[in-house]
Amino acid sequence: DSGVTQTPKHLITATGQRVTLRCSPRSGDLSVYWYQQSLDQGLQFLIQYYNGEERAKGNILERFSAQQFPDLHSELNLSSLELGDSALYFCASSVERGQGIDYGYTFGSGTRLTVV
Amino acid sequence: AQKITQTQPGMFVQEKEAVTLDCTYDTSDPSYGLFWYKQPSSGEMIFLIYQGSYDQQNATEGRYSLNFQKARKSANLVISASQLGDSAMYFCAMRERNTDKLIFGTGTRLQVFP
Repeated sequence: DSGVTQTPKHLITATGQRVTLRCSPRSGDLSVYWYQQSLDQGLQFLIQYYNGEERAKGNILERFSAQQFPDLHSELNLSSLELGDSALYFCASSVERGQGIDYGYTFGSGTRLTVV
Repeated sequence: AQKITQTQPGMFVQEKEAVTLDCTYDTSDPSYGLFWYKQPSSGEMIFLIYQGSYDQQNATEGRYSLNFQKARKSANLVISASQLGDSAMYFCAMRERNTDKLIFGTGTRLQVFP
């Protein structure tokens, strides 16, 4: 167990629908990152939150949105789903930069989204 | 702009042999970190090894070592004494000092055969 919890692990939904993916970061980590990994592809950065505030944005579609709550858990909302949104969605968390050795991110086990 | 390049889509290695997975990077920031992650077929991302841009020695973690050549901007992962369980996708990633983002390469699929 990495300490980063993602739910659900699997999700099957129809085109046009809306889903919410949930992430609880590792204890003590203030930053949460969302990544999308399509079939046999690398990880594409979507968005980062730090202590409740959006810090960086990547190639996130307008149909997608995210937020980080006061308890630091984060949700990624995907709406008007298309077949091409089928992917593995990862959440990761990290300590604030500059605090000790930089071990990068701790990843959750991912949510596998299938749009049919 | 920040970029990670992994030119080997797939690699094969015999059990107990060593294998090198290539990674080159591009950045204008003098301070950065380089990472390797393993992704087995089950899907999770497992941190393997880290190299800081100012580290004088190459990083090692058990059977994993990082061949860091700063002037050539390369950070190759060396796996010694390969095991069947090493079969997985391997991703190289970089994080610059002035951003928290990890940028990933496209990965190399390693297959270890008996």
